[in-house]
Amino acid sequence: EADIYQTPRYLVIGTGKKITLECSQTMGHDKMYWYQQDPGMELHLIHYSYGVNSTEKGDLSSESTVSRIRTEHFPLTLESARPSHTSQYLCATRVAGDYNEQFFGPGTRLTVL
Amino acid sequence: EDQVTQSPEALRLQEGESSSLNCSYTVSGLRGLFWYRQDPGKGPEFLFTLYSAGEEKEKERLKATLTKKESFLHITAPKPEDSATYLCAVLSGGYNKLIFGAGTRLAVHP
Repeated sequence: EADIYQTPRYLVIGTGKKITLECSQTMGHDKMYWYQQDPGMELHLIHYSYGVNSTEKGDLSSESTVSRIRTEHFPLTLESARPSHTSQYLCATRVAGDYNEQFFGPGTRLTVL
Repeated sequence: EDQVTQSPEALRLQEGESSSLNCSYTVSGLRGLFWYRQDPGKGPEFLFTLYSAGEEKEKERLKATLTKKESFLHITAPKPEDSATYLCAVLSGGYNKLIFGAGTRLAVHP
């Protein structure tokens, strides 16, 4: 069982605000991921990290940034939120190795007005 | 280009009416195929991993199978609590990230 925590679970915010979505895990997994998911659509990878001080952009162009200062923490920041950022953001972790599944957090539903 | 296609997009079943969901994939060297269940407003919950053609895995009313081009998720005698979106994802050899399909929304009615 994976313990992945995301806060806040729901956020409604005005255009231009800076926001940080938090993701933390207690399993000590090296690999962490951020996905964006619109209703009825595929999950799209926006950022990933293979360990402390390692971050990479994913496939979907995103105006967000991430950091990985500690193994257990992988926050995502939007410097200036826009309505186009309205979506569900999912954090996931995976143990090292080729054939291990990803575990997902409960997600953050973001609405930008 | 690696691609995952799920069908149907939506499926409505009566309780007890068995059926199958399809996941077709095109990848350069499959390193794993994953099935997830996602309830509304929640993160995906892991169900199965399949690694090679011919492999099968079962969990309660669910059975996942894998061929060289597709995977099936068979649901036997479904119950209303099986209602969810079922997601398929692949991990390809040339691309060390999961590629997800859009999912199948399953509704099981009493």
